[in-house]
Parts: sequence; structure tokens; C-alpha cells
Amino acid sequence: ETGVTQTPRHLVMGMTNKKSLKCEQHLGHNAMYWYKQSAKKPLELMFVYNFKEQTENNSVPSRFSPECPNSSHLFLHLHTLQPEDSALYLCASSQSGLAFFGQGTRLTVV
Amino acid sequence: QKEVEQNSGPLSVPEGAIASLNCTYSDRGSQSFFWYRQYSGKSPELIMFIYSNGDKEDGRFTAQLNKASQYVSLLIRDSQPSDSATYLCAASTGGYQKVTFGIGTKLQVIP
Repeated sequence: ETGVTQTPRHLVMGMTNKKSLKCEQHLGHNAMYWYKQSAKKPLELMFVYNFKEQTENNSVPSRFSPECPNSSHLFLHLHTLQPEDSALYLCASSQSGLAFFGQGTRLTVV
Repeated sequence: QKEVEQNSGPLSVPEGAIASLNCTYSDRGSQSFFWYRQYSGKSPELIMFIYSNGDKEDGRFTAQLNKASQYVSLLIRDSQPSDSATYLCAASTGGYQKVTFGIGTKLQVIP
């Protein structure tokens, strides 16, 4: 139990599908993040939310749409993805820079 | 472009030896530094953090920071096969601001 829970753990979707990734943190942290991890690349920061407000959007394509209804929940809505979007998507929460990750969603776009 | 550089490895060490993992960072404004361990197919797990120049020890792990050289290292004493993983170095300007990760160094501890 990491304190940060992601669902689903695995997802296979077609390029025309719409799906959502969910993240919930039980640590009382104020900041939540979405990261993308592709093979042989560093973790890529996608979005940052602090106190439910989006504070960073790292030039992410509009086919990825985040939602943060409260400080404990974070969603990533996906639509019309491309095969190159296949990756491990990690949610994290942090307090004072210490980031704790969820188990990730392994996404495959076919 | 803020960067954290690591050698991707693999770094192979025999069981019982000291594993030395190194990292450099480009942003002089970085204040906090982290080491994460990531087993294959799993998410990163925070194992050490360091804010001040010098050494910080926690069990078999020692983190070292040299801000003048913009250099961070992680030493693992008495390496065990269970230490085999990818070790990610990360730097942050502090607070809730984004943490920049390196590509990670794959460590293999040979029994």
C-alpha cells in the first residue's frame, strides 16, 4: 500500500476510444502529478496540480485532458490516442518536494 | 532546459561490494535531491533524499551531495541481489514545484 492508488493497472484501447485513468491519494498531500514513462526515456512530467489548481502543463497534446476535482483525486481523460502514447502512466502526490508514486497504469494503444 | 544526467548502465557489481551510482544536474537553483529505486514493471520508490552538501546515511545507503560540482551520488554498501533495479536520480527547486528525473541507472548485483 503506497498511499497512492491508480486504476486501472492495465489498459488496452483503440485509437478512437475514450478512456480515463484514475488516481487517489490517501496521504493528505497538496500536490498531484501525472508522469509518462516510456522505454529508454526519463520520466516525463505531464501535469501538476497544487491545491486542485493546475500549475503546470508540460506541452502535452490536447488528447490528454486532466481533471482534479479535489486534492485527493486526479483523473487523466484520454481520447483519440496514438500508438506512440503507449507507455506507463504514473500518478504521484507530494508534500515539500517528496513525491510518492502510484503503481501506474500500463497503457497500450492499438 | 533543466536536466539530470545519469549513465543508463547497466552497472554490474558482485554481491557484497559497494555500488556507486552517480548523477549530475544542470539547474543551479535545485535545492532538493532524491534517489528512487524502480524494480522492473513497478513504480519508483523513494529511498533517499538530501538537501545539504555532504553525506547522508540510512542503513546501507549513503547519499552524497556536492552543490559546487552539481553532483549527487548514491552508495549502496554490501550490495545484495535484491538491490538489482533501476535507480532514478531527481532534482527539485523545492516546494511543490516539479521534480526533474534522470533516465536512471540499471544496477545488477551478481550473486
